[in-house]
Amino acid sequence: QVHLVESGGGVVQPGKSLRLSCAASGFRFRSSGFHWVRQAPGKGLEWVAVISSDGNNKFYADSVKGRLSISRDNSENTVDLQMNSLRPEDTAIYYCAKDSGYDLSAFDIWGRGTMVTVSS
Amino acid sequence: QSVLAQPPSASGTPGQRVTISCSGSSSNVGRNGVNWYQHLPGTGPKLLIYRTNQRPSGVPDRFSGSKSGPSASLAISSLQSEDEAYYYCATWDDSVSTPVFGGGTQLTVL
Repeated sequence: QVHLVESGGGVVQPGKSLRLSCAASGFRFRSSGFHWVRQAPGKGLEWVAVISSDGNNKFYADSVKGRLSISRDNSENTVDLQMNSLRPEDTAIYYCAKDSGYDLSAFDIWGRGTMVTVSS
Repeated sequence: QSVLAQPPSASGTPGQRVTISCSGSSSNVGRNGVNWYQHLPGTGPKLLIYRTNQRPSGVPDRFSGSKSGPSASLAISSLQSEDEAYYYCATWDDSVSTPVFGGGTQLTVL
């Protein structure tokens, strides 16, 4: 079975940090790029970040650049999102998604998401 | 405000055909393939259509995609109650060099 499982969400105060993790199983992890996509309450999907299969290329949405950092561990089959200087507008469900290779915005495997709430 | 514009809601009765639009510009939909996702609350989105009109394995042929200029559409024929969900379009935007999503359309099966 193909799976992505996110963890690490929670309630955090503005300005603090949080680290999300995404555990993958059931497919060739090392050959895939991965994305983080978020959904704020009552809003649509927003792309956040991507990391290439070898981890050498990383790109971010302008809204998170300099504060959020994506990384991967090909020995543990995990993708992490380090979130620093968190703001209330970062409150969202964060989804980990696998790049399909079909297209630059086609993600063929998604996790169920982990909720991050930034509030004092 | 999403880069790609979708109607917030759509509806249909079982057996009907419904279409959902996705309006963009020459920097995104106009020059790149469009992908569609089906999203049920509490789950991760599911890739429904990729490269504008291709279906991943396992997606029924009741779902189809098309594009004309800066606008794309998702069509669902023979509507079923299980199709009730949120639908999102997505594509690459050359002006910002990132993927962009539509605001989503809530489909109700009456």
